[in-house]
Amino acid sequence: GESVGLHLPTLSVQEGDNSIINCAYSNSASDYFIWYKQESGKGPQFIIDIRSNMDKRQGQRVTVLLNKTVKHLSLQIAATQPGDSAVYFCAENRRDSSYKLIFGSGTRLLVRP
Amino acid sequence: SQTIHQWPATLVQPVGSPLSLECTVEGTSNPNLYWYRQAAGRGLQLLFYSVGIGQISSEVPQNLSASRPQDRQFILSSKKLLLSDSGFYLCAWSPLAGVSYEQYFGPGTRLTVT
Repeated sequence: GESVGLHLPTLSVQEGDNSIINCAYSNSASDYFIWYKQESGKGPQFIIDIRSNMDKRQGQRVTVLLNKTVKHLSLQIAATQPGDSAVYFCAENRRDSSYKLIFGSGTRLLVRP
Repeated sequence: SQTIHQWPATLVQPVGSPLSLECTVEGTSNPNLYWYRQAAGRGLQLLFYSVGIGQISSEVPQNLSASRPQDRQFILSSKKLLLSDSGFYLCAWSPLAGVSYEQYFGPGTRLTVT
């Protein structure tokens, strides 16, 4: 079935480097995407979102890129810090199910000191 | 500002015992409410969502039920727990109407069925 998924289950980066976390989606009807950060034992926290009429959106140290042609979403974290270590989830909203988000399986980001 | 509470934070229950997890939201009215379950090292599985008092939609047939007795209260229940009910239970809310579908999550309840 259609789903949101991630390419890499674990990503290890050096502190200070940039991180890129990828996500693929298969439903062309999806029009809204979110990235969440989940620290161990806590609920997911909103990081950044993007609508399908945009290609790029920037926040504080984070950038989300959306490529609708290949149905690909990425989260870029600049100057990765130890506090960025967490599991990152992408989620999509589909026009035919406006109340629900479909979550990917998550990528664990490990920051090496 | 809006806040979401869940309790208890952790729970250990024997197989066959009942369950009641509570979620409350403050600082907003008429929210959509959601219950998710997360197995260890896995993603989020949507269990139930509610768009209003007494309105519950079930996503996955299972041993659990949900109720919404008040606008900002969402309860997850079971009459008899199974081992497979163990997991991290998350409650979330989103605005009923808006231009985005962002959901805000509570701190979660860690349930271990023994």
